[in-house]
Amino acid sequence: ETGVTQTPRHLVMGMTNKKSLKCEQHLGHNAMYWYKQSAKKPLELMFVYNFKEQTENNSVPSRFSPECPNSSHLFLHLHTLQPEDSALYLCASSQGQRAGLYNEQFFGPGTRLTVL
Amino acid sequence: AQSVSQHNHHVILSEAASLELGCNYSYGGTVNLFWYVQYPGQHLQLLLKYFSGDPLVKGIKGFEAEFIKSKFSFNLRKPSVQWSDTAEYFCAVKSNSGYALNFGKGTSLLVTP
Repeated sequence: ETGVTQTPRHLVMGMTNKKSLKCEQHLGHNAMYWYKQSAKKPLELMFVYNFKEQTENNSVPSRFSPECPNSSHLFLHLHTLQPEDSALYLCASSQGQRAGLYNEQFFGPGTRLTVL
Repeated sequence: AQSVSQHNHHVILSEAASLELGCNYSYGGTVNLFWYVQYPGQHLQLLLKYFSGDPLVKGIKGFEAEFIKSKFSFNLRKPSVQWSDTAEYFCAVKSNSGYALNFGKGTSLLVTP
């Protein structure tokens, strides 16, 4: 397996469910990202982990909880979501980020989430 | 706050036609600029990027983009499109001091034979 993989690819959940999205990168990177892509909206950055430390949380509601146990894995734990949280959730990875220095982000295929 | 505007949401072109997709951003400081492409059923991938130097940037598959600082623009161009260029194109901006990529809403390009 190469690149950035995400599981599951599709998820349907009720508002009271708890589920997790998984992202794994096989590129030897040290930074990982969660993005949300809603219909008719730009991709929105949710969280950034740089060398396993969370460096950005873009005012994301607490019903989304990220976890980065090591530099290859990133999770997004979901609980008591709302229908408006239905979207495509994209994971990306890059070499470790330093301010002012950009390393190309490589994206996974995304998880299509539907909240009923 | 930074914002990125892509003015064309849907573009339909015939093969061999020329392409220009607009991208404008609002941010006063030093920025890095990107175009990403997502082919049907595939991942987002980097098409080209601008950090500094020559404002005319060449990317993969014959694409190029020009950074015009005075207009806060980074338009994507290709002189002659092919059917295989059918995809969604995203402009993105990153401030020089942060980690976040700010994306536009995307432009869906359909190239007809």
